[in-house]
Amino acid sequence: AQRVTQPEKLLSVFKGAPVELKCNYSYSGSPELFWYVQYSRQRLQLLLRHISRESIKGFTADLNKGETSFHLKKPFAQEEDSAMYYCALANGAGSYQLTFGKGTKLSVIP
Amino acid sequence: GAVVSQHPSWVICKSGTSVKIECRSLDFQATTMFWYRQFPKQSLMLMATSNEGSKATYEQGVEKDKFLINHASLTLSTLTVTSAHPEDSSFYICSARAYSGRSSYEQYFGPGTRLTVT
Repeated sequence: AQRVTQPEKLLSVFKGAPVELKCNYSYSGSPELFWYVQYSRQRLQLLLRHISRESIKGFTADLNKGETSFHLKKPFAQEEDSAMYYCALANGAGSYQLTFGKGTKLSVIP
Repeated sequence: GAVVSQHPSWVICKSGTSVKIECRSLDFQATTMFWYRQFPKQSLMLMATSNEGSKATYEQGVEKDKFLINHASLTLSTLTVTSAHPEDSSFYICSARAYSGRSSYEQYFGPGTRLTVT
């Protein structure tokens, strides 16, 4: 069964400090991984996906198959980064269901 | 961009009644829609996968007779909570799957519906 683990419920960092949100996964096939973000009172939205290897809002994430990890990083946190972050794993077969981690609340302290 | 709407955004109903939640893809056609449930301060739990013109596929532990899903068109899926009870109170979120290029699909999420059963 596929599983996504986000070990930290809450992560507080000071503005300008580096951020790393951890995500580990368990999946027997070839994984497709995503990071979603949910700002206060807004809908869930895609932040980035591993296959596009892009950087959005200064965030990057590298898929490490050896460590089965997909940690989200940003070198300098901004106050507007405060939000809930969810790591998700796609079932690549057919319907493309997403399995979400429990989420990490990032709080950037001014 | 792809937009998904949900209606209503919040609803209060009495125990024993049924309530219908609509999910619409506004500017694209979605052959597959998903329904999630989110408890306070918890993650999204997939309830069911809805394919246009066919029966929904429910996740283990989700009662299909209680949570009726209809996906009658490429832009509309509905979730009906039948004979609602207070324990059904939750935040229900739908998403619609669309091709996003480069052989990849993306799920676009609705804003959610807050259901309170009294």
